[in-house]
Amino acid sequence: GAGVSQTPSNKVTEKGKYVELRCDPISGHTALYWYRQSLGQGPEFLIYFQGTGAADDSGLPNDRFFAVRPEGSVSTLKIQRTERGDSAVYLCASSLGGDKNIQYFGAGTRLSVL
Amino acid sequence: AQRVTQPEKLLSVFKGAPVELKCNYSYSGSPELFWYVQYSRQRLQLLLRHISRESIKGFTADLNKGETSFHLKKPFAQEEDSAMYYCALSGASGTYKYIFGTGTRLKVLA
Repeated sequence: GAGVSQTPSNKVTEKGKYVELRCDPISGHTALYWYRQSLGQGPEFLIYFQGTGAADDSGLPNDRFFAVRPEGSVSTLKIQRTERGDSAVYLCASSLGGDKNIQYFGAGTRLSVL
Repeated sequence: AQRVTQPEKLLSVFKGAPVELKCNYSYSGSPELFWYVQYSRQRLQLLLRHISRESIKGFTADLNKGETSFHLKKPFAQEEDSAMYYCALSGASGTYKYIFGTGTRLKVLA
């Protein structure tokens, strides 16, 4: 079956612009996570959805970052007024949720803010 | 503070030599520990989960609660083991989010 799908694979934008990154999880996975990976670092947690609700958004760095998952499947990470420091690979992962917590990762979206 | 430490950024070994990738963690409670691997131009994928106690591709990892370590070992490295390896922990309840280490690049030399 299909794995976690993320689009676009690459996004180049200018400082100050708005971007949306999309994640399509594995069918039937109720839990969805967003992580950010900067160069030379491990992935860092941003936000977790269980179903449609954001159960934990403690990793979002500031209010320019927002994510939604309106129907409990596809999720969109939205970044307003992008800054050069937002440049990173944004990873999405999904799992069956609860203690069945093996997370399956997408290939990521590489965001470059010029 | 919750933290995962992988002290080596790069580990180079010769084919057939033993490999040990170190992982130490700090967590108040009983975490679940994972090793994820990223081969060149591929996505992150699960290698090992401590509760499974499996050996995958010849790799094993034992959780040592006294030393708060979860080192990854393989007795005889293969060239195809060359990849980026990340240790991660997850809380036993709650959000189950992962906390990752910074990763170790393993290079297996012919």
